[in-house]
Amino acid sequence: DVKVTQSSRYLVKRTGEKVFLECVQDMDHENMFWYRQDPGLGLRLIYFSYDVKMKEKGDIPEGYSVSREKKERFSLILESASTNQTSMYLCASSLNGINEQFFGPGTRLTVL
Amino acid sequence: GENVEQHPSTLSVQEGDSAVIKCTYSDSASNYFPWYKQELGKRPQLIIDIRSNVGEKKDQRIAVTLNKTAKHFSLHITETQPEDSAVYFCAPSGAGSYQLTFGKGTKLSVIP
Repeated sequence: DVKVTQSSRYLVKRTGEKVFLECVQDMDHENMFWYRQDPGLGLRLIYFSYDVKMKEKGDIPEGYSVSREKKERFSLILESASTNQTSMYLCASSLNGINEQFFGPGTRLTVL
Repeated sequence: GENVEQHPSTLSVQEGDSAVIKCTYSDSASNYFPWYKQELGKRPQLIIDIRSNVGEKKDQRIAVTLNKTAKHFSLHITETQPEDSAVYFCAPSGAGSYQLTFGKGTKLSVIP
């Protein structure tokens, strides 16, 4: 069974803080993804990575950065959190190529 | 980038009736067409997918049909049950990309 875990289920931060969200998968998947989910907007891709130290911008990368130093771990960084980054953040992983994505439970981030 | 539209945005059916959700996409090179289900408070999970060399795929009560010429694919659920109540997302991928572009979702309510 694929397991994708995220470091926190709920997080409350203040405007301007640096925020780290971490995602770990245990199935040796090459691809990892970060999405944000907002009501009525579906899932929007922030960044993805197809290999260690490799990253590609998704549709909404502004205000975010990522890090992938190990194959199983993909971090999303909010350099200076803003209120419009309040959202549900979902991590996913998949095998190489275009395949099923397995999602983590999500982190609900509130920026005050 | 890929433009994805899902219709309808909400759908209510009586238990036992059928439900159909349609997804249109813009990239004629798209070659992978999955549907994800997200129950309230849960993570999205793949329920069925189809690749561009196949026109239809069925798995028990659910099926996906693909019309590449018209650039749309549809999710069909027969004999709906209350546990089918969820938000459904289509997420076609473009050629040469690991990226899925999610639709905004369809909220399906099955009325007992």
